[in-house]
Amino acid sequence: QKEVEQDPGPLSVPEGAIVSLNCTYSNSAFQYFMWYRQYSRKGPELLMYTYSSGNKEDGRFTAQVDKSSKYISLFIRDSQPSDSATYLCAMSDVQGAQKLVFGQGTRLTINP
Amino acid sequence: NAGVTQTPKFQVLKTGQSMTLQCAQDMNHEYMSWYRQDPGMGLRLIHYSVGAGITDQGEVPNGYNVSRSTTEDFPLRLLSAAPSQTSVYFCASSTSFATAPGAFGSGTRLTVV
Repeated sequence: QKEVEQDPGPLSVPEGAIVSLNCTYSNSAFQYFMWYRQYSRKGPELLMYTYSSGNKEDGRFTAQVDKSSKYISLFIRDSQPSDSATYLCAMSDVQGAQKLVFGQGTRLTINP
Repeated sequence: NAGVTQTPKFQVLKTGQSMTLQCAQDMNHEYMSWYRQDPGMGLRLIHYSVGAGITDQGEVPNGYNVSRSTTEDFPLRLLSAAPSQTSVYFCASSTSFATAPGAFGSGTRLTVV
C-alpha cells in the first residue's frame, strides 16, 4: 500500500463548477501538506502549503487537512479552463518539508 | 531571475552509459532536491541537500550520485544507465527546513535504450 493515495482521475467538469480533489495517507507522522499544480510538460508549482491541521484559503483555492482521518482536500471554486492541469498532493514528516512523498496526481480538465 | 534551471531538456542514453543532469538555482536557496516522475507513480525523491557539502538519500537513490560543492549547483549523476531509469527528472529548491519546495525546474526527459 502506498503511503499517499490519490485518485488519478481523469476528472472533467464544466467551467464554473466547484472541484474537489482528495488524498488519503497512512503515515501519522506527516506534518507538512502541500498541493502542487503541474501543466503538461512543465515542472510542478506550489499552490497551497499547510502545516499540521486546519484550513487555508488563497483566492479560489481552499486546502483542508484532517489529520484524525488522514485526509486532505483541495477545493477550487469558480473553476476556469486555465485550471486544467494535473494536481499533486504531497506531504512530509517532522524531518522537514524537504523529503516529500507525493500522490500519483489527478488529471483535471475544465470544459468551457 | 532564472529560478531553477535544468539541462539538458532531453537526453537519450544507451544502457551502461553515464551522464550528469545539471541543476542550478540563482535564488540562494539552501535546500535542493532531485525527484523522478514516472507514469502512475507521482514524484519520488532521489537525493536532497540541505546546504553546500551536505547531501542525503531519498526514497529511490540506487544508481544515482550527487554532490553539492556550491549553493547554486546540485548535479545528479547516473553511474551506469539502465532502462529502469527512463523517466522525467525534476530538480527543486527551497529556502529553509520548513519551507516546501516552491521552485521546480522544467525537467529533463531521459530515455535509456
